[in-house]
This record gives sequence, structure tokens and C-alpha cells, in this order.
Amino acid sequence: QSALTQPPSASGSPGQSVTISCTGTSSDVGGYNYVSWYQQYPGKAPKLMIYEVSKRPSGVPDRFSGSKSGNTASLTVSGLQAEDEADYYCSSYAGSLWVFGGGTKLTVL
Amino acid sequence: QVQLVESGGGVVQPGGSLRLSCAASGFTFSSYGMHWVRQAPGKGLEWVAFIRYDGSNKYYADSVKGRFTISRDNSKNTLYLQMNSLRAEDTAVYYCAKDRGTNSFDPWGQGTLVTVSS
Repeated sequence: QSALTQPPSASGSPGQSVTISCTGTSSDVGGYNYVSWYQQYPGKAPKLMIYEVSKRPSGVPDRFSGSKSGNTASLTVSGLQAEDEADYYCSSYAGSLWVFGGGTKLTVL
Repeated sequence: QVQLVESGGGVVQPGGSLRLSCAASGFTFSSYGMHWVRQAPGKGLEWVAFIRYDGSNKYYADSVKGRFTISRDNSKNTLYLQMNSLRAEDTAVYYCAKDRGTNSFDPWGQGTLVTVSS
């Protein structure tokens, strides 16, 4: 049950786009279309932003998008806004268990 | 609206036990699988356990297998996590989360802090 690999940090200026990667294996990310992404502010509970690789729950801005290629999933935030500054975690179903990435701190410069 | 409220956290000595509860409202609790996820102070998220909507299947992370037990009472709309043989490394905020049916966690409760310390 190894954690998925995310970069510890990412940054961008307001209006720019940023992509956060999430690398796993063929037993998790590559084996299922069940990758999800979560946004977490300090001291708060995580919030679902993307599920099933690229689907957005209602209420999530369309600036957030997800994709997957092989064993790597990605979250792209377009048109960065100050309120996007938060920690982001990916997760994948791995067959009777779930794994998370280590998290990426997104800074809006 | 969907709401999940955890309770039962606190300070416990190594080797001790604690039972967490998660009260659900705003949705048909008996129709959804439920998870426990934890977050150690300053660290990332770690999936802990899952239980199917009817309690027929339960899955655990290797780190807690044999020590933690997930259960549910659909008549009380409540999810539980019985934690035994607690270790310092179990110190974390414990969140319950509803499975959307898409192997994703939504929504999450506000969390309850468990501290294992002598």
C-alpha cells in the first residue's frame, strides 16, 4: 500500500494555469478510472474536486479539470485565483483499498 | 444537506482503546458505503477503512488491520471505528467520509482528534 507520488509544492501567478501530477502504478492509478482529487485548507476537512479521473461535482468551478495517462493522473487549475491556494491530494481505488498521494501545496504568487 | 459529525476522540495511553462515532444525516445512510480517513499532525491523508452499505464487506489499511474494526448501525445512521492496541503513530485527526458510489470521498466530516500519548 504505497502512497501515490505528488510533487510537494506547485505555484503560479493569478490567471495562470498549474498542473499537479499524481503517479501510481498499474495496481491503482493505471488499473482503474477511479482517481479523485481533494482540496484542503488549513484546519479544514478535505473537499472533493474531481472524481472518476475527470468529472466535477456540482459547485466545483470548471477551472478545475482532471486527466490520466497510464499510471499518472493530473489536476489542472486554470485561471488561478487567490482562493485556490490550498493543499491538494489525489486518491485512487486500488482493489479493496484506497491510496492517497502525499499532497501538493499550491501557492498563488 | 448531507452532514457527517464525528465524535469520540481524545487522549489515550499507548495500548489503550477508543471508539469513534460518525453521525450521518441528510441522505439515505443505509444506501452508501462509508470510509474512515486519518491525517497525522502536519501530514497527508491516509485511508483507514471502508464498510459497504449493508456492512457485508469491510476493508482495512495494513497499518490498522487486526487492531481497528469498522462497523455501522443503519437504524441509527451511525458509523463506528473501534480502535484497540493504539500506538503513538495512530495519533491523527480521524475523518469519516461518504463514498459517492464512485470510489471517492464526499462529503467529509469535520474530524475528531485522537492523541495516543503516555
